[in-house]
Amino acid sequence: EVELVESGGGLVQPGGSLRLSCAASGFTFSSYPMHWVRQAPGKGLEYVSAISSNGGSTYHANSVKGRFTISRDNSKNTLYLQMGSLRVEDMAVYYCARGMGLPGALDYWGQGTLVAVSS
Amino acid sequence: EIVLTQSPGTLSLSPGERATLSCGASQSISSSYLAWYQQKPGQAPRLLIYGASSRATGIPDRFSGSGSGTDFTLTISRLEPEDFAVYYCQQYGSPPRTFGQGTNLEIK
Repeated sequence: EVELVESGGGLVQPGGSLRLSCAASGFTFSSYPMHWVRQAPGKGLEYVSAISSNGGSTYHANSVKGRFTISRDNSKNTLYLQMGSLRVEDMAVYYCARGMGLPGALDYWGQGTLVAVSS
Repeated sequence: EIVLTQSPGTLSLSPGERATLSCGASQSISSSYLAWYQQKPGQAPRLLIYGASSRATGIPDRFSGSGSGTDFTLTISRLEPEDFAVYYCQQYGSPPRTFGQGTNLEIK
């Protein structure tokens, strides 16, 4: 059974940093592109970042470019999102999701981890 | 950036009725790279449809997708109580992979 479990969320002050992790199991992690999608409280879905199966290609939305970095460790079956220079508008539930391919829809999602940005 | 506009914003129907949700794109979506997701309160989104019309694993056949180019539709043939949720479309053919703003399907 495919499972994605996010961790690392929490309360951080504006300008601070946080690293999210997504532990994957139940499939060959190194064969799939992976993604981060966020959802601000009461709002819709916003696409954040993507990484190819071998980590050689990444994408970041303009809203996070230069502040967030997506990476993966295929030996640990883990996806990461390093978040820096956090802003109030970054506050959201962050979901990791598996991609069906490149390009591909997002066929499995984690339960999400909440990032709160407040002074 | 491709902007997706979903309509209606809210759809009020009763169990057993047919639901038709629309997703319009600001420019043509290549190779029908259009997906539909369902999200219930407090839960992660769930993939329903990919490639505009292919059902994801385990999705009941009362869900169907259609369309191409700039106009896409999600149809739920007979609503079950568990189908009342928010539905999002997403295009994944051109970066950034944008989502629509969602349609809230509520019980009438």
